[in-house]
Amino acid sequence: DTEVTQTPKHLVMGMTNKKSLKCEQHMGHRAMYWYKQKAKKPPELMFVYSYEKLSINESVPSRFSPECPNSSLLNLHLHALQPEDSALYLCASSQGPLARGRSEKLFFGSGTQLSVL
Amino acid sequence: KNEVEQSPQNLTAQEGEFITINCSYSVGISALHWLQQHPGGGIVSLFMLSSGKKKHGRLIATINIQEKHSSLHITASHPRDSAVYICAVRGSQGNLIFGKGTKLSVKP
Repeated sequence: DTEVTQTPKHLVMGMTNKKSLKCEQHMGHRAMYWYKQKAKKPPELMFVYSYEKLSINESVPSRFSPECPNSSLLNLHLHALQPEDSALYLCASSQGPLARGRSEKLFFGSGTQLSVL
Repeated sequence: KNEVEQSPQNLTAQEGEFITINCSYSVGISALHWLQQHPGGGIVSLFMLSSGKKKHGRLIATINIQEKHSSLHITASHPRDSAVYICAVRGSQGNLIFGKGTKLSVKP
């Protein structure tokens, strides 16, 4: 199994809703990532979990709350989002964290297309 | 100036043509990734390389560390190769820096 599975594929939510994005991998990878991608732009890193601990938070607003319940799962909890948060949210994993001196291949999920109304 | 520059931004080719996409970077790197993103979002990692050349099917990726340049070649292109191709480099701290992508359209 070399897949990173993301659900849902599409999500429409209002600004007062609470929703969660889910990401799952069964490759034994110990690093997982959330990226945000606006149309026609490259992905932007949001969070990195390394060995189930949050290791990088790229100054993401608190209305985005990541959670790593175990080594296979990564969630992104959404609350009180703004229309400008509409984007494709991509999850990725690698065997170990992308650290200096390490060469790790990244595996991406197919993303959740989020629309905030 | 962006740390990772790709060219061309857009590329249209006829089926069967040989295609080259270029990536230049200005930072020290430990690895370079070529990624493919189809409409609808999913990203596939095509290659990760830190030196030399790698080949997978009709795809070839090369990197010249001294010149800080990498190329992705597609031989005998096919309409299903139509996608955005993204170059991303691993910086010295392990962070991944993305290029803006090259949108490839292969016409039958």
